[in-house]
Amino acid sequence: AQSVAQPEDQVNVAEGNPLTVKCTYSVSGNPYLFWYVQYPNRGLQFLLKYITGDNLVKGSYGFEAEFNKSQTSFHLKKPSALVSDSALYFCAVRSTGANNLFFGTGTRLTVIP
Amino acid sequence: DGGITQSPKYLFRKEGQNVTLSCEQNLNHDAMYWYRQDPGQGLRLIYYSQIVNDFQKGDIAEGYSVSREKKESFPLTVTSAQKNPTAFYLCASSGTGAYTGELFFGEGSRLTVL
Repeated sequence: AQSVAQPEDQVNVAEGNPLTVKCTYSVSGNPYLFWYVQYPNRGLQFLLKYITGDNLVKGSYGFEAEFNKSQTSFHLKKPSALVSDSALYFCAVRSTGANNLFFGTGTRLTVIP
Repeated sequence: DGGITQSPKYLFRKEGQNVTLSCEQNLNHDAMYWYRQDPGQGLRLIYYSQIVNDFQKGDIAEGYSVSREKKESFPLTVTSAQKNPTAFYLCASSGTGAYTGELFFGEGSRLTVL
């Protein structure tokens, strides 16, 4: 079985401050991990993924995420938040051999000017 | 431009009616998916298809049906058997056997039952 937990429904951060959106996962076998962003009434946009290799993954719009196997985490980070980063963020996991992604419940990020 | 097109964007239905949501992709992807999104519940998989003329049930397939007659198209029918059909529906696709590949999403269809 595979599962994803996003422990925070809402994250608020001031513009220019670093941001972190948390994600932990549970899978059998090696995990393939993804982050997506969703703006209101829109589809999901891919930000970044971890498949193998370097634990620090860099993605679109200045976002990065760090894979931590011992803590089964894949937190999304950005050094300096922008107001335009305000959106709904989803973490997703696919286990080896699985046919589909399993999504977390999402975290709403609000960047305060 | 390559992408996924969902239509209609907004749809209203009376109780007891079947409705069909369209999903078309020109990315030459083999795999296609339908997800349902409800507030606070994330995305839940309804059906997926890895190849033409084949599809599998996801976690919440009851009350839904799909077909995959063409590689480019994966329509979803919300039947009258679906007890709570009001939701935001998302179609996605990915490359063949691409377990490491990301999903590409359409812009979604919002269904409201009156």
